[in-house]
Amino acid sequence: RKEVEQDPGPFNVPEGATVAFNCTYSNSASQSFFWYRQDCRKEPKLLMSVYSSGNEDGRFTAQLNRASQYISLLIRDSKLSDSATYLCVVKSPGGYNKLIFGAGTRLAVHP
Amino acid sequence: EPEVTQTPSHQVTQMGQEVILRCVPISNHLYFYWYRQILGQKVEFLVSFYNNEISEKSEIFDDQFSVERPDGSNFTLKIRSTKLEDSAMYFCARVDPQVTDTQYFGPGTRLTVL
Repeated sequence: RKEVEQDPGPFNVPEGATVAFNCTYSNSASQSFFWYRQDCRKEPKLLMSVYSSGNEDGRFTAQLNRASQYISLLIRDSKLSDSATYLCVVKSPGGYNKLIFGAGTRLAVHP
Repeated sequence: EPEVTQTPSHQVTQMGQEVILRCVPISNHLYFYWYRQILGQKVEFLVSFYNNEISEKSEIFDDQFSVERPDGSNFTLKIRSTKLEDSAMYFCARVDPQVTDTQYFGPGTRLTVL
């Protein structure tokens, strides 16, 4: 089983749509979770951390289900500028903060 | 303005040559990381560096790779004898000292090995 698994997409949605991405992770001891956004040939940029209670940042909502080892990202009212690859990222248990990346889910928002 | 800068932005080299990739933090940090991303693949951890020592490294980080902080500021990744499969984007990342879980990535160096 892959350490972090995501549906690669692509998700093609119109502007204004709501889209949800899912991610599963294999190590139940993992404690920290993130969503990063990556534009083509650019660096990953932190979108948001994911907390157990769920958290929201504007149009973006992240949820964590530890029992199912499942993380989600919901984007409401999609904008053209949301087109990117969304990376599910898990911090490896242990002391040195190594990040384990999923392969990413590609989102294309069209007019 | 990026909090971490990397040089060069693009490096082209011949197979077997040595390359040095540089990461320059804007402010003083203790934790640094190197990751790589082969085109079309996921981002992979290479090595973490804390307080001028390697704290963890992956299987990818073999004897051909080394890291150091030669002047207490710049943070370098050296590949001694490049192979075609070393062609990738190499990202340096630093930890936010206020939130040590969170890593911020530099713009990357694209390495092309011919």
